Amino acid sequence: TQLLEQSPQFLSIQEGENLTVYCNSSSVFSSLQWYRQEPGEGPVLLVTVVTGGEVKKLKRLTFQFGDARKDSSLHITAAQPGDTGLYLCVGSSNTGKLIFGQGTTLQVKP
Amino acid sequence: ETGVTQTPRHLVMGMTNKKSLKCEQHLGHNAMYWYKQSAKKPLELMFVYSLEERVENNSVPSRFSPECPNSSHLFLHLHTLQPEDSALYLCASSPIWRGSGEQYFGPGTRLTVT
Repeated sequence: TQLLEQSPQFLSIQEGENLTVYCNSSSVFSSLQWYRQEPGEGPVLLVTVVTGGEVKKLKRLTFQFGDARKDSSLHITAAQPGDTGLYLCVGSSNTGKLIFGQGTTLQVKP
Repeated sequence: ETGVTQTPRHLVMGMTNKKSLKCEQHLGHNAMYWYKQSAKKPLELMFVYSLEERVENNSVPSRFSPECPNSSHLFLHLHTLQPEDSALYLCASSPIWRGSGEQYFGPGTRLTVT
């Protein structure tokens, strides 16, 4: 069974702090997506990473795909209250099967 | 039109009721999905339709019955549900089934079974 371990599961920080969320697996993924979900809404796609070692930036968010395409990280610089939400990583196997992380609930306090 | 819409947004039903959830996508996608999202649990994929054909059914109880009349619409028919079925039900679509992995989600239906 393919697993995608996401950590931490909960994170509460002050505005302006930095944080990193990790997704780790023993399986290789052909691609990996990061989503953010706000309360009462569905997940919204943030980024897709495909190439091992790839780094993508979205304003204060930096996404990295591991060299072996088994892990990924999301780093947020100078977090803002608007960053509050549930962050999900989803890996796509080489057969197209989707593997979901458990999610990281982030609370950024003003 | 927003990409993926779901109705109703909130639903309270008794265990003997029959109700249906509706999803519509305006993105021209060929694949549609139903997910269950419960507190403190990963997203659970329930059903997948590709070009109106059901291609995945992940051991979902028969009290949940999906229907995909065309590539833009997806329904989830509910009957004799249990309180543990209370959750957020999310619909999603993607350009193709088992493609890039990118999905576009609707806002969800918050279901409460009393």
